[in-house]
Amino acid sequence: GQSLEQPSEVTAVEGAIVQINCTYQTSGFYGLSWYQQHDGGAPTFLSYNALDGLEETGRFSSFLSRSDSYGYLLLQELQMKDSASYFCAVDNYGQNFVFGPGTRLSVLP
Amino acid sequence: DAGVIQSPRHEVTEMGQEVTLRCKPISGHNSLFWYRQTMMRGLELLIYFNNNVPIDDSGMPEDRFSAKMPNASFSTLKIQPSEPRDSAVYFCASTLGARSGPHNEQFFGPGTRLTVL
Repeated sequence: GQSLEQPSEVTAVEGAIVQINCTYQTSGFYGLSWYQQHDGGAPTFLSYNALDGLEETGRFSSFLSRSDSYGYLLLQELQMKDSASYFCAVDNYGQNFVFGPGTRLSVLP
Repeated sequence: DAGVIQSPRHEVTEMGQEVTLRCKPISGHNSLFWYRQTMMRGLELLIYFNNNVPIDDSGMPEDRFSAKMPNASFSTLKIQPSEPRDSAVYFCASTLGARSGPHNEQFFGPGTRLTVL
């Protein structure tokens, strides 16, 4: 089967750094994506990792270790507007596209 | 570009009625996805089209659900008959190329909130 695990909730204060982990078990793997979804909104793309290592995009970075079936999203200099749900998603080439259960991030003043 | 367009934004219907959700992908995008999101089950992929052809419909819950993509600019998701457990937000998303690859960013529409009474 296929499964992804993420923490259900994370809380941090403005200006802090937070890391959201994602572990996956899939029969095939092509890449790991991260999406952000504000309450009442649609998911929006944040990043994509196909190879091991760190991808940086502004305040957000994403890491992948294919050998460990593990990735994380790192958010720096947290702002109130970062309060949202964050989903990792695995792309199994030619098989399926599966989203994780999501992590609800609350940023406190 | 206007982005992915979905209609209606909200739909309230009674059990047993037919429901049709509509999606217009971003012009030039070759792949289209239908998702369902609920608190209990999260975000689930229902069906995926590439170049208007259904590639993966393993997520379609049962025969009451059907999806079509008659051309590159339009897709429908139909539920007949609808049941209360179908209540969810249904998202349509499109991507520029094939589903896999380094440029597989999915652009989501605003979603249709479906309530079946």
